[in-house]
Amino acid sequence: IAGITQAPTSQILAAGRRMTLRCTQDMRHNAMYWYRQDLGLGLRLIHYSNTAGTTGKGEVPDGYSVSRANTDDFPLTLASAVPSQTSVYFCASNRQGVGSEAFFGQGTRLTVV
Amino acid sequence: GENVEQHPSTLSVQEGDSAVIKCTYSDSASNYFPWYKQELGKGPQLIIDIRSNVGEKKDQRIAVTLNKTAKHFSLHITETQPEDSAVYFCALEGSQGNLIFGKGTKLSVKP
Repeated sequence: IAGITQAPTSQILAAGRRMTLRCTQDMRHNAMYWYRQDLGLGLRLIHYSNTAGTTGKGEVPDGYSVSRANTDDFPLTLASAVPSQTSVYFCASNRQGVGSEAFFGQGTRLTVV
Repeated sequence: GENVEQHPSTLSVQEGDSAVIKCTYSDSASNYFPWYKQELGKGPQLIIDIRSNVGEKKDQRIAVTLNKTAKHFSLHITETQPEDSAVYFCALEGSQGNLIFGKGTKLSVKP
């Protein structure tokens, strides 16, 4: 059972470049989320999707976009990367509904130079 | 928006001692309060959770208490072991089913 898989594991990206972080889950979870983790700030929600075909903005959505074409995949795109987007990015999923455990991927460490 | 305060930010204990991490939150309709453990280089993993209709829950060496009136909840780890060393996050459930996290506590258990 793979659970939730992110790719790439790490990436160094030149400022101004476009980048898509991939996330796939095999648990048939309805809801998926993207968080960024920064030292001293914990994990903050970027975008979410409650079901295929719908997306919403989280706490820190600027500079990021997402799509949810099907249940399993939830890619995060940085249209034009900036150094402040250097972070560790985590994708998560759950069944949705009150009190549903969220499962996290192993993270993507992104450095924008 | 909703805010979760977590204390302490770092905690060092001797093996076998207990560790306590506390979280408080502002106005919230959340009824679900999970705790996550994050080991170095890995994603967070659920270790225990509690719902608002319960005041305390225990799972082996780990326990969580919730006081919804006072808006605080705590994680208790007894008989700590070196493998308990990690970063621990409290969280509560947001309006979109997302999690709102505290800033984390780095726990170090010294042998």
